[in-house]
Amino acid sequence: GQQVKQSSPSLTVQEGGISILNCDYENDMFDYFAWYKKYPDNSPTLLISVRSNVDKREDGRLTVFLNKSGKHFSLHITASQPEDTAVYLCAAGARGTGSKLSFGKGAKLTVSP
Amino acid sequence: EAAVTQSPRSKVAVTGGKVTLSCHQTNNHDYMYWYRQDTGHGLRLIHYSYVADSTEKGDIPDGYKASRPSQENFSLILELASLSQTAVYFCASSDTGGNERLFFGHGTKLSVL
Repeated sequence: GQQVKQSSPSLTVQEGGISILNCDYENDMFDYFAWYKKYPDNSPTLLISVRSNVDKREDGRLTVFLNKSGKHFSLHITASQPEDTAVYLCAAGARGTGSKLSFGKGAKLTVSP
Repeated sequence: EAAVTQSPRSKVAVTGGKVTLSCHQTNNHDYMYWYRQDTGHGLRLIHYSYVADSTEKGDIPDGYKASRPSQENFSLILELASLSQTAVYFCASSDTGGNERLFFGHGTKLSVL
């Protein structure tokens, strides 16, 4: 079964608002969590990642929150901009598996002006 | 910036034919991967490799073979292409030492008719 799940396939946010993307995982061994961004007809690129020894990581407008007990992590984008419109893929992996990441199905974020 | 190059960028194949997708990386990375992307499924791992002349099965290896003749090159082979293998295929590479960041190529759009 799918080890990483994104339950909401799409989200629309107004410009300037906060975008919140969610991801759930099943494997207790996962200790690395990441968000990738993908524009149409382009390759996924890493946005931000976090290891399981922290609950939160900020990078500019991006914040990843990790809830290990709930097997859940999320990406918050503040001051959302139209250029944030893209597909966001969450991913998780376990140490020692040679970076064999499992990806969610992706969620389309649309930021409307 | 890391570079992963895929060829061809797109291909139309006939059912039952042989298809080879090629990937070349100049990152000096040990790990290379082949993922496929389908609508509603996100990225799914087909095969991966962590050293030349060795490949490992991913989550959906059936119908695919892989070849890693050198550190820089990783091929995905469809011996008998089928309609269900129509998808976008992404190659990626990553460093060792617990750095799980994946660097993706631009993808190969494969249509099997």
